[in-house]
Amino acid sequence: SQQGEEDPQALSIQEGENATMNCSYKTSINNLQWYRQNSGRGLVHLILIRSNEREKHSGRLRVTLDTSKKSSSLLITASRAADTASYFCAPNSGAGSYQLTFGKGTKLSVIP
Amino acid sequence: GAVVSQHPSWVICKSGTSVKIECRSLDFQATTMFWYRQFPKQSLMLMATSNEGSKATYEQGVEKDKFLINHASLTLSTLTVTSAHPEDSSFYICSARSGAGETQYFGPGTRLLVL
Repeated sequence: SQQGEEDPQALSIQEGENATMNCSYKTSINNLQWYRQNSGRGLVHLILIRSNEREKHSGRLRVTLDTSKKSSSLLITASRAADTASYFCAPNSGAGSYQLTFGKGTKLSVIP
Repeated sequence: GAVVSQHPSWVICKSGTSVKIECRSLDFQATTMFWYRQFPKQSLMLMATSNEGSKATYEQGVEKDKFLINHASLTLSTLTVTSAHPEDSSFYICSARSGAGETQYFGPGTRLLVL
């Protein structure tokens, strides 16, 4: 499995603003997943985008994938204080046992 | 759906004792379960992958005799930290995936403090 690299490492925005975080990876993938971790908790799966998809929406989340640039972005629109968390991307080659490797994540702080 | 539970949520133990952490998939059958460890302000580090009915595969640098993993059923995996030491204090998180699923569903984590 390969590790995604999230950018920025930290992001602070006002409630109501949009938050964009990026993920880069190194080798070809079958899909890429985004997860959220609230402080002191386990991870919550947010969205999975396949290598043949360019954009996917789920509620206030929009994920894009550019396989030519080996990058993905997660956009959270109209952010809320409850969105405060760390966000991780996980590129998945789909081979073997579907192991996921997590990077340092983007720590998002939404200020009320 | 896809709920994973962990028990206990936190545990304090004395150095030298063993601690068992349970990970259960509540509403699906987990053919594969993963165990992670997370130190403060760091990312999750995969410790081992376990498939139901077979031996766990440990990541490099993880001592299999210290971190015993059992995945005896499709809904339960256990991690036993044997002869725990203060440096084993960490946040342990499990995840599970079903046979055809690409998504991992995570438990809420277990915080271990070894005195």
